[in-house]
Amino acid sequence: DAGVIQSPRHEVTEMGQEVTLRCKPISGHNSLFWYRQTMMRGLELLIYFNNNVPIDDSGMPEDRFSAKMPNASFSTLKIQPSEPRDSAVYFCASRRQGLTSPLHFGNGTRLTVT
Amino acid sequence: DQQVKQNSPSLSVQEGRISILNCDYTNSMFDYFLWYKKYPAEGPTFLISISSIKDKNEDGRFTVFLNKSAKHLSLHIVPSQPGDSAVYFCARANAGGTSYGKLTFGQGTILTVHP
Repeated sequence: DAGVIQSPRHEVTEMGQEVTLRCKPISGHNSLFWYRQTMMRGLELLIYFNNNVPIDDSGMPEDRFSAKMPNASFSTLKIQPSEPRDSAVYFCASRRQGLTSPLHFGNGTRLTVT
Repeated sequence: DQQVKQNSPSLSVQEGRISILNCDYTNSMFDYFLWYKKYPAEGPTFLISISSIKDKNEDGRFTVFLNKSAKHLSLHIVPSQPGDSAVYFCARANAGGTSYGKLTFGQGTILTVHP
């Protein structure tokens, strides 16, 4: 079991640039979550998918953020244009569908926007 | 709005003593609660969970208590070990409605266990 794989591990970009974060969930998992961690707000849920379909995107900060899951083994979170306040650690997580299935997290992408 | 709150940003405990981490929640009937542990530069990892039909679940040194009348959740670690030093998050999985399975987290509590 390779675990949830996120890339890149670190991303430094300038304000106004487009940023794309990538995630490969664990094979067989059909729910995928994107979270953002900051000191002030802890772990914020941005969006989650069941069977590749977005279920709740109420946590997406604004239209600059978008997420896709074109198939069961890949998801992206895109920020365009990026701003310094987007600097945070972004986590992707997956689990088998079902309330009691624990969520498995990737190691995160640390994004710095200058 | 269904919230999960951890009001203590940090906790410091001596090795061998009990650590008690607390969490409060709102507007829940039949949700499922979980605790996660996070080390620096890693993603959170699942620790222990509890169904809303129970009031206690135990796994080794870790016990989670659920007080539904007070809408309060706690994690007890006994005895505490230096390797337990990490950030602990409580989380809730929605059991109903259009957001079934949605998992929301508290802000986290930094636990430091001193040798």
